[in-house]
Amino acid sequence: GENVEQHPSTLSVQEGDSAVIKCTYSDSASNYFPWYKQELGKRPQLIIDIRSNVGEKKDQRIAVTLNKTAKHFSLHITETQPEDSAVYFCAALTGGGNKLTFGTGTQLKVEL
Amino acid sequence: SQTIHQWPATLVQPVGSPLSLECTVEGTSNPNLYWYRQAAGRGLQLLFYSVGIGQISSEVPQNLSASRPQDRQFILSSKKLLLSDSGFYLCAWRVAGALYGYTFGSGTRLTVV
Repeated sequence: GENVEQHPSTLSVQEGDSAVIKCTYSDSASNYFPWYKQELGKRPQLIIDIRSNVGEKKDQRIAVTLNKTAKHFSLHITETQPEDSAVYFCAALTGGGNKLTFGTGTQLKVEL
Repeated sequence: SQTIHQWPATLVQPVGSPLSLECTVEGTSNPNLYWYRQAAGRGLQLLFYSVGIGQISSEVPQNLSASRPQDRQFILSSKKLLLSDSGFYLCAWRVAGALYGYTFGSGTRLTVV
């Protein structure tokens, strides 16, 4: 069945360091991979996404890489800031393209 | 531009009472619509999704149901709430057939007492 695994579940970094969150997916037909950021008590917000015909995408301090052969993708945040502290979810488009299957989330804490 | 509305924002209901949460989308046609539940400190669990009026797919067995009476309206219901139904309920929409992510509503925090 469709499954997305996400690691680590918690991540603590010092301000200015980089953070990396990794996900693997099982549905080889998946062709779209978004990342969401959820602050406490709020809705998840889309921060970056990547399509299967691209290996890497960058937006300022955030980048996502995709390895379709290995079926894994990663989120990279550079020069982390306290406001980056949140829960991050990866997702993969599955179910024939009708739904997103989410990873279990990573609690990122950026310490001063 | 497209917007998604979800209400109420918070709800406290006694065990055994009914539930109705409503979600509407503006500025688009024939969206895919979704209901998710998020337990405290947990991930996003897909409950239902709909690709068209009257078309509902259920992802997990439960005492909840969903309906889509109009193109841009999605309703989550229960006849009798359980304590385990407490959580943060999120409605979401996406453009059908396109490689776009979801846009989530602001959520309803349901506490069953």
